[in-house]
Amino acid sequence: RKEVEQDPGPFNVPEGATVAFNCTYSNSASQSFFWYRQDCRKEPKLLMSVYSSGNEDGRFTAQLNRASQYISLLIRDSKLSDSATYLCVVSNFNKFYFGSGTKLNVKP
Amino acid sequence: DVKVTQSSRYLVKRTGEKVFLECVQDMDHENMFWYRQDPGLGLRLIYFSYDVKMKEKGDIPEGYSVSREKKERFSLILESASTNQTSMYLCASSLRQGEGANYGYTFGSGTRLTVV
Repeated sequence: RKEVEQDPGPFNVPEGATVAFNCTYSNSASQSFFWYRQDCRKEPKLLMSVYSSGNEDGRFTAQLNRASQYISLLIRDSKLSDSATYLCVVSNFNKFYFGSGTKLNVKP
Repeated sequence: DVKVTQSSRYLVKRTGEKVFLECVQDMDHENMFWYRQDPGLGLRLIYFSYDVKMKEKGDIPEGYSVSREKKERFSLILESASTNQTSMYLCASSLRQGEGANYGYTFGSGTRLTVV
């Protein structure tokens, strides 16, 4: 079983739409959680950390549900520039586990 | 601006060559990692290091070795390159995770290696 599982998508949404991704993880002892964004042929970049109480950064909201072992990312008012692959990352002590990513296409 | 620098963006090598991929970070991070990324397979951990001269195998270490002689530098070595090692190689670094810590990775811009 994979440590981190994500729906690969693609999610095709119009500009202005709200879109949500989920990610499940297998290790209940996981300590830290992140969402990364990766543009085509570029390196992943940290989008936001995910805190137990949930957190928001502008149009982006991240939630953690430890009981069900999933994290989510909500993007409101999608922009064309949000088109990318979103990677869910879970860490256990100093080791990080990456999901395979969810591809988002925002269309005009 | 903090940085992880990989020595080459694109590299073409012949089968059987010994290949060195260099990674340097200027953030005084303890942890450094080497991943490869392939379509449909995501990021796979090759080797990692939590301290100078320390190394641990990741999920796919076969055919690779690493060296960490200085804190800021982590080298990936392909002992005898093969065509199935054609991939995007990504170096990353992070602070040591502690109780309550939530430190993410910083990635280098990647090296796209082609073995012919």
